[in-house]
Amino acid sequence: KNQVEQSPQSLIILEGKNCTLQCNYTVSPFSNLRWYKQDTGRGPVSLTIMTFSENTKSNGRYTATLDADTKQSSLHITASQLSDSASYICVVTKGGNTPLVFGKGTRLSVIA
Amino acid sequence: DAEITQSPRHKITETGRQVTLACHQTWNHNNMFWYRQDLGHGLRLIHYSYGVQDTNKGEVSDGYSVSRSNTEDLPLTLESAASSQTSVYFCASSDPRDTQYFGPGTRLTVL
Repeated sequence: KNQVEQSPQSLIILEGKNCTLQCNYTVSPFSNLRWYKQDTGRGPVSLTIMTFSENTKSNGRYTATLDADTKQSSLHITASQLSDSASYICVVTKGGNTPLVFGKGTRLSVIA
Repeated sequence: DAEITQSPRHKITETGRQVTLACHQTWNHNNMFWYRQDLGHGLRLIHYSYGVQDTNKGEVSDGYSVSRSNTEDLPLTLESAASSQTSVYFCASSDPRDTQYFGPGTRLTVL
């Protein structure tokens, strides 16, 4: 079954600290993997996209990694800010105009 | 600037009523999607369309319908609203790289 599992479900960290969010998937075939950020009351916004051949992709303080062999991805946030408080959703694409497979997200709270 | 909009942003209705949620995008994307988002479930696909006159059922399509008469719009209709359809609904369109652009969401309450 095509699934995307994220951990932890929720996380609270102090402002300025780093954190890493995990994503494991069983989706096959695999085309690419995205991380989305969803602020409260808003729609998700794409942060990064990685294809099979890419191991790392950065977007400012966000760095995503992908291990296509173990079907794992992580999103590392460096020097967290209050504005990083949001849900982070891992999404896997099978390609060929097929629907995306969404994880349930990790709710991150950054506190002062 | 191109964008995707949803209306209304908030809607309260009664059980059994027909409700239509609007979605409009100005990117000229062929692919459009409707999702619902509930606590504990994440985003779940309701219906999607890959072009004019094309519609497809997602994993939670029962009780919902869509139509695609032009590229810009994909309205979502709840034929007879039920309390289980109380949710936040997101419309999205995707570019050729499959990056989805989401609307701001519609919060629907069915009493």
